[in-house]
Amino acid sequence: GNSVTQMEGPVTLSEEAFLTINCTYTATGYPSLFWYVQYPGEGLQLLLKATKADDKGSNKGFEATYRKETTSFHLEKGSVQVSDSAVYFCALSEGFGNEKLTFGTGTRLTIIP
Amino acid sequence: ETGVTQSPTHLIKTRGQQVTLRCSSQSGHNTVSWYQQALGQGPQFIFQYYREEENGRGNFPPRFSGLQFPNYSSELNVNALELDDSALYLCASRPDRAANYGYTFGSGTRLTVV
Repeated sequence: GNSVTQMEGPVTLSEEAFLTINCTYTATGYPSLFWYVQYPGEGLQLLLKATKADDKGSNKGFEATYRKETTSFHLEKGSVQVSDSAVYFCALSEGFGNEKLTFGTGTRLTIIP
Repeated sequence: ETGVTQSPTHLIKTRGQQVTLRCSSQSGHNTVSWYQQALGQGPQFIFQYYREEENGRGNFPPRFSGLQFPNYSSELNVNALELDDSALYLCASRPDRAANYGYTFGSGTRLTVV
């Protein structure tokens, strides 16, 4: 079955540091890949997505590239801010009749001033 | 501003009781899914509805059931509540069946079973 493995947290960084959160996946087909963010007390918000190999998703300074050869979709940001503190979830969906999202366990990110 | 609204936001129930959680999606969002998120875990897929019919189900027992209505609202019903059902329940919807649009999630209902 499908699975998503995320870098274990929590992760604590200083403001303006470089961020990488690793994500690898296992899927039988050609999934779409997503990063969702969850702020305290809220639901999930779609941060970015990529639907095919070598696609790069980007939003709010965050980027992730769909790497089929390494089955990875690592999240990066060049300079984090305190407001980026949240829990980040990597997820995949195979679509075409199997559209459920399979999530990783989440990575809690805390940015200190 | 999220286009998916869930109610109630918090709920406390006793073991063995039944509960109904509600979700209101954006107009045109014909696909709605429900997820269970236990504390410190990623969301787990419960089931999905497309145009009022269930078209996918995760590893949850039959006491978890749902309905989707023509007005883009939906319900999650859980019978015979167990302590392990305590979790955040998330509703998510999207405008069509294509996976690459991404879901819009509600803020969830936090259910506590005592």
